[in-house]
Amino acid sequence: DVKVTQSSRYLVKRTGEKVFLECVQDMDHENMFWYRQDPGLGLRLIYFSYDVKMKEKGDIPEGYSVSREKKERFSLILESASTNQTSMYLCASRQTEDTQYFGPGTRLTVL
Amino acid sequence: AQKVTQAQTEISVVEKEDVTLDCVYETRDTTYYLFWYKQPPSGELVFLIRRNSFDEQNEISGRYSWNFQKSTSSFNFTITASQVVDSAVYFCALSAANAGGTSYGKLTFGQGTILTVHP
Repeated sequence: DVKVTQSSRYLVKRTGEKVFLECVQDMDHENMFWYRQDPGLGLRLIYFSYDVKMKEKGDIPEGYSVSREKKERFSLILESASTNQTSMYLCASRQTEDTQYFGPGTRLTVL
Repeated sequence: AQKVTQAQTEISVVEKEDVTLDCVYETRDTTYYLFWYKQPPSGELVFLIRRNSFDEQNEISGRYSWNFQKSTSSFNFTITASQVVDSAVYFCALSAANAGGTSYGKLTFGQGTILTVHP
């Protein structure tokens, strides 16, 4: 079974803090993705990575950055958290051509 | 630009009823993939089906069936004899592909439909 794990299920941070969300997959997948989920908006793509050290902007990259130093790990970074970044964050991975498999999500609250 | 619309925000049914979740999409690509995912209360998205734009055959998997109609740009999902465990948020999604059928991987999601099945 494909396993995608995220470092925290729930996270509470303060405005202005630097926040790291970690995602790890154990299936040697090449591609990894970060989405945020908001009510009424579905999931929106923030960043994705086709391979190690590669990254591409998704539809809503503003206020975020990413890091992919190892194939199995894809980190989402909020450089200076703001209240409008309160959301559910979902990581996904896939082998090229295959279906995306999702992690359990991290519910981030920024106070 | 791609767009996926799930017009039904919430649906409520009683157990054993059949229910259809609608999905309409827009894309300029001639080759693309369509997906359905289920998100139970635990939060993790569970993959249900992937359909290539060249394959318009309907698919049935147990109580689940999918109707893909390119002429109306729709990819509807029907649950037959619904059960309480079917209660979840369901997402339809679209991914573009190149002429050779290679998916670019970026998914465009609909807004989701909240399905509640009452005992």
